[in-house]
Amino acid sequence: GDSVTQMEGPVTLSEEAFLTINCTYTATGYPSLFWYVQYPGEGLQLLLKATKADDKGSNKGFEATYRKETTSFHLEKGSVQVSDSAVYFCALIRSGGYNKLIFGAGTRLAVHP
Amino acid sequence: DAGVIQSPRHEVTEMGQEVTLRCKPISGHDYLFWYRQTMMRGLELLIYFNNNVPIDDSGMPEDRFSAKMPNASFSTLKIQPSEPRDSAVYFCASRAGGETQYFGPGTRLLVL
Repeated sequence: GDSVTQMEGPVTLSEEAFLTINCTYTATGYPSLFWYVQYPGEGLQLLLKATKADDKGSNKGFEATYRKETTSFHLEKGSVQVSDSAVYFCALIRSGGYNKLIFGAGTRLAVHP
Repeated sequence: DAGVIQSPRHEVTEMGQEVTLRCKPISGHDYLFWYRQTMMRGLELLIYFNNNVPIDDSGMPEDRFSAKMPNASFSTLKIQPSEPRDSAVYFCASRAGGETQYFGPGTRLLVL
């Protein structure tokens, strides 16, 4: 079945460091891919998305490129801030009108001053 | 614009009691989703509705769980009787015609 695999956390970085959180997926067809972020005590917020191969999603300095050949959607940011500390979830929706979001396990990011 | 509204934000109850979680989706959204988040199982889709009709309830763990959507602006998730293993954060999400789901702040449930 469809699945999403994320790198295990926690990821601990100093402010202004470069961030990569790896995400790979298994799915039938050509899914849409998402990154959601969950700040402490809050619900999930959509961070960015990509709906087809080679698309790049970007928002708030974060980027991720849909790589069909490697079935990956890695999240990157060039310079993290303390306020980026949160849990990041990679997710997919299978193409063809399906509605079920399949989430990865989440990766906790802690950024220290 | 108001986002997805959930109540209560926190619920502590004793095993065997009935628990009702509430959700108000974003106005105009015709899909509503209920998720459960636990450390062991991560985020799981329990059930979703389209135009107030349940479409897929295959994620509902057992008969103790039930969900209703009596109108476009309100949904409930009920657990009766509750058990300690039901302790989790329950999220409601809604969406319109696109694929992006908008999540509420969640209800943190603790069953003692």
